[in-house]
Amino acid sequence: KAGVTQTPRYLIKTRGQQVTLSCSPISGHRSVSWYQQTPGQGLQFLFEYFSETQRNKGNFPGRFSGRQFSNSRSEMNVSTLELGDSALYLCASSSRGGEDTQYFGPGTRLTVL
Amino acid sequence: DQQVKQNSPSLSVQEGRISILNCDYTNSMFDYFLWYKKYPAEGPTFLISISSIKDKNEDGRFTVFLNKSAKHLSLHIVPSQPGDSAVYFCASFTSGTYKYIFGTGTRLKVLA
Repeated sequence: KAGVTQTPRYLIKTRGQQVTLSCSPISGHRSVSWYQQTPGQGLQFLFEYFSETQRNKGNFPGRFSGRQFSNSRSEMNVSTLELGDSALYLCASSSRGGEDTQYFGPGTRLTVL
Repeated sequence: DQQVKQNSPSLSVQEGRISILNCDYTNSMFDYFLWYKKYPAEGPTFLISISSIKDKNEDGRFTVFLNKSAKHLSLHIVPSQPGDSAVYFCASFTSGTYKYIFGTGTRLKVLA
């Protein structure tokens, strides 16, 4: 079974721009969660999608949004980028979410200049 | 407010010895605790978990201990191997909120 894939792997943007990151979950998995990893902050939960619906949301501003398609692929969008948005963005998929084991992708490294 | 804390950012251990990684939490409502391992340029991978109703779970060289009264959990790796060198994250999960909360990670270096 192919693992979780994320594209692109690296991205450089400038302040004020917007960005879209993509995540393809493991086949058959219906839950996709997104996390932001920064040094000293660990992994911070952004949101979780299940069957095309946002089921959970972390404490991030509205500039961070996402969606999930019928094939369970998910995208995350960040608008009006700020320097502090520079981070590794990880997505994780699981069969049903909840306590099901999460499988992480390799992440997208976003640098905002 | 960091509900799951890993107070040691790094740890060095000699090959063959025991590695002990620690994690403290503040919310007694967490249902599960998990440990993930992360290598550079890869996503975290699930290592081992423990339900809040248990105090120990073992899987090969990895054992997780949960001390509910102290709100503390630890991961023991015995014997440590150079391939164990990675960043280890502890995480909590609450069934009610379906949310995972991760600690900030501890970088383990196993010296050959």
